Amino acid sequence: DTAVSQTPKYLVTQMGNDKSIKCEQNLGHDTMYWYKQDSKKFLKIMFSYNNKELIINETVPNRFSPKSPDKAHLNLHINSLELGDSAVYFCASSDKWGGEQFFGPGTRLTVL
Amino acid sequence: TQLLEQSPQFLSIQEGENLTVYCNSSSVFSSLQWYRQEPGEGPVLLVTVVTGGEVKKLKRLTFQFGDARKDSSLHITAAQPGDTGLYLCAGAARNNNDMRFGAGTRLTVKP
Repeated sequence: DTAVSQTPKYLVTQMGNDKSIKCEQNLGHDTMYWYKQDSKKFLKIMFSYNNKELIINETVPNRFSPKSPDKAHLNLHINSLELGDSAVYFCASSDKWGGEQFFGPGTRLTVL
Repeated sequence: TQLLEQSPQFLSIQEGENLTVYCNSSSVFSSLQWYRQEPGEGPVLLVTVVTGGEVKKLKRLTFQFGDARKDSSLHITAAQPGDTGLYLCAGAARNNNDMRFGAGTRLTVKP
């Protein structure tokens, strides 16, 4: 069983569209994260959720919104996609905030 | 802003050589982690260090956390092509709920 899974793996869309990326973890972890990795491979944290409460909200545009229907899921919704949103987005989870993180396989988003 | 600076940014060596990569910050971290990322995959944790001065060994990899918990190093002995990848350090600072990754060291080990 995959510990942290993301769907879709690839997402190609037009500017201005709204899209969602789903993330699920079956590890029973309390904290989940979303990261953005740009073309230079710099990994930047976007959000983290601990027991469904937002802990960190980096200075990301409010077009990005995390949604957590339950402890095992943290989805990322993006409104009005822009060219600069093109990147690989990784979901991760840990048993506690700041603990060992298990990463998903990533979602490569391309905005045309 | 707590920045984690990794050096070198790129490193290309021959199989069998030793190497050290560094992760430095001006801030104190409650814990520091090292990850390795291969192309097309997510980062995978190698080690977590939490105590100043701590040294951990993982086969040919030796990790050290600075006494002041502001920096860390990763030493690889007798590097192998399978060690090729992007090595990332990540620091967690509980006092301000901050967690950051360094920009990474891209290691290439040539056979």
